[in-house]
Amino acid sequence: DTGVSQDPRHKITKRGQNVTFRCDPISEHNRLYWYRQTLGQGPEFLTYFQNEAQLEKSRLLSDRFSAERPKGSFSTLEIQRTEQGDSAMYLCASSLESEVYGYTFGSGTRLTVV
Amino acid sequence: QQQVKQSPQSLIVQKGGISIINCAYENTAFDYFPWYQQFPGKGPALLIAIRPDVSEKKEGRFTISFNKSAKQFSLHIMDSQPGDSATYFCAASSPPETSGSRLTFGEGTQLTVNP
Repeated sequence: DTGVSQDPRHKITKRGQNVTFRCDPISEHNRLYWYRQTLGQGPEFLTYFQNEAQLEKSRLLSDRFSAERPKGSFSTLEIQRTEQGDSAMYLCASSLESEVYGYTFGSGTRLTVV
Repeated sequence: QQQVKQSPQSLIVQKGGISIINCAYENTAFDYFPWYQQFPGKGPALLIAIRPDVSEKKEGRFTISFNKSAKQFSLHIMDSQPGDSATYFCAASSPPETSGSRLTFGEGTQLTVNP
């Protein structure tokens, strides 16, 4: 059981730099979600994919953020021109379309913008 | 817009005691109410979930109580153990056809169970 894998686990970057995170979902899961969690808060929805199609984006996902899932398998989340307010844990989750509530979360990528 | 409110923010109980965490929601379209457990450095893990057509669901030491008219639900942890010490989040979701199964989370409750 490989679960949902996220890479890197931690990222420290300088303000203004671009960063990219990767998520590898459970292999048979066709839905993939990105959430952001700031310290002391619950996760907030960013976007989700069904296969390679990005079906919904939160207003939290500004134009500096872009997510892709090119072959319906792994996904990347890129943040351009990072700001200190982007510091957070970025969580990926996956599920089967037939079990849309059966989320499995990864351990997240913790981003610190200095 | 905070659609799911959770309390208390932190909770300390003695081993063997009952831990109770409460949540209230606003959106009557929500039809799925899970609870997640999160340990430091880990992602949230589904603990137990309920739909609004039942008033209670029990799995082992964990019970969800649901009050649809009051738009409230709660998690009860019986015989709390030190290993239960974690952050607990309630969440809610609308039907997949309207929301894509996006979850709206509460603010979290940090539970500490003293030995």
